[in-house]
Amino acid sequence: AQSVSQHNHHVILSEAASLELGCNYSYGGTVNLFWYVQYPGQHLQLLLKYFSGDPLVKGIKGFEAEFIKSKFSFNLRKPSVQWSDTAEYFCAVISPGTYKYIFGTGTRLKVLA
Amino acid sequence: DAGVTQSPTHLIKTRGQHVTLRCSPISGHKSVSWYQQVLGQGPQFIFQYYEKEERGRGNFPDRFSARQFPNYSSELNVNALLLGDSALYLCASSLGGDSNQPQHFGDGTRLSIL
Repeated sequence: AQSVSQHNHHVILSEAASLELGCNYSYGGTVNLFWYVQYPGQHLQLLLKYFSGDPLVKGIKGFEAEFIKSKFSFNLRKPSVQWSDTAEYFCAVISPGTYKYIFGTGTRLKVLA
Repeated sequence: DAGVTQSPTHLIKTRGQHVTLRCSPISGHKSVSWYQQVLGQGPQFIFQYYEKEERGRGNFPDRFSARQFPNYSSELNVNALLLGDSALYLCASSLGGDSNQPQHFGDGTRLSIL
């Protein structure tokens, strides 16, 4: 069965530090990949997505993610975090035609001012 | 534009009861998905409906059922509630039923089973 692993459950960073959150999935076929973010008190919202093409995708608020097919990974990065990036981040995978999103367990990021 | 709306926001039930959760998608969206999110976990897929037909079902027992109405709103029903059904239930809508459509989530219904 498909699964998504997010190994970092809690991350604490100071403002201006660089961020990388890991996401690995288990599925050998074609996948669509997403990162969602949930800010405190808000609903889940899309940060960025990858379907095909350039494996480096850019999302909102300066976030980017790189799809590395050989490593089954889709890590999220940001060069310099801000206090307002404090949130929970979820990686999600879906196989085209299956209609079934698989979410990771999430990573709680706390950015210290 | 209004986002995905879910009702009620909170609900307390006892074991063995039945519950109905409701979801109104973003205007123009024809697909609705339901997720269960237990504390400390990511959302787990329950159902997806598109044009009133079930497109996908997750690994949930038959106590869980759903339907989508002609106006694309949806209901999730859970029968014979168990303590383990306590969770945040999320509804998400998307324009179509394709897997490349990003999902737009509501705020969820928090269900507590006593």
